[in-house]
Amino acid sequence: QQPVQSPQAVILREGEDAVINCSSSKALYSVHWYRQKHGEAPVFLMILLKGGEQKGHDKISASFNEKKQQSSLYLTASQLSYSGTYFCGTEGGGTSYGKLTFGQGTILTVHP
Amino acid sequence: EAGVAQSPRYKIIEKRQSVAFWCNPISGHATLYWYQQILGQGPKLLIQFQNNGVVDDSQLPKDRFSAERLKGVDSTLKIQPAKLEDSAVYLCASSLVWGGDEQYFGPGTRLTVT
Repeated sequence: QQPVQSPQAVILREGEDAVINCSSSKALYSVHWYRQKHGEAPVFLMILLKGGEQKGHDKISASFNEKKQQSSLYLTASQLSYSGTYFCGTEGGGTSYGKLTFGQGTILTVHP
Repeated sequence: EAGVAQSPRYKIIEKRQSVAFWCNPISGHATLYWYQQILGQGPKLLIQFQNNGVVDDSQLPKDRFSAERLKGVDSTLKIQPAKLEDSAVYLCASSLVWGGDEQYFGPGTRLTVT
């Protein structure tokens, strides 16, 4: 089942902060975050694993609430290069282990 | 380190024709994925390989789509015959291990079916 992202779109000025949320209805093993610029491939940002382990870029922060099956991506002091569509991908356990289901995306636009 | 390679980058075909896409994952990556991304949507997993074996193909339309990964390295995805609704970007990704690992995406193949 597809995770739900919110908001659908965000418009910022350089230096402002934003939070993008991802919510799933099923128990999760991990949450992945990717950014995709127009016409390009998705780029890995961060993975948050059940149990608290995180892997990703130093300048990106995120949280994972295992009980609520929710994750949030925190973008602070935004730069023009942050513009793009952000996708969360959720991975469940059992037969869903190793399979990512992506949300519909959040479009982030950063203006000078 | 070289990234995931895909070809062709663009393809335009008429409906009912066939088409094939090629992917070369990052060296040493055991897991390979094919995704379909329709404009304005997130990627949708079509098939997943662990080495040269299929792990999951539950969302692959098997009446028209097929995929193989020979020798556990390169992979091809084929559509035969194509339908208008197959117009999308086909992304290949790879990861070092299966599960709980970051995936690295190739540039994709943009398919237009007319």
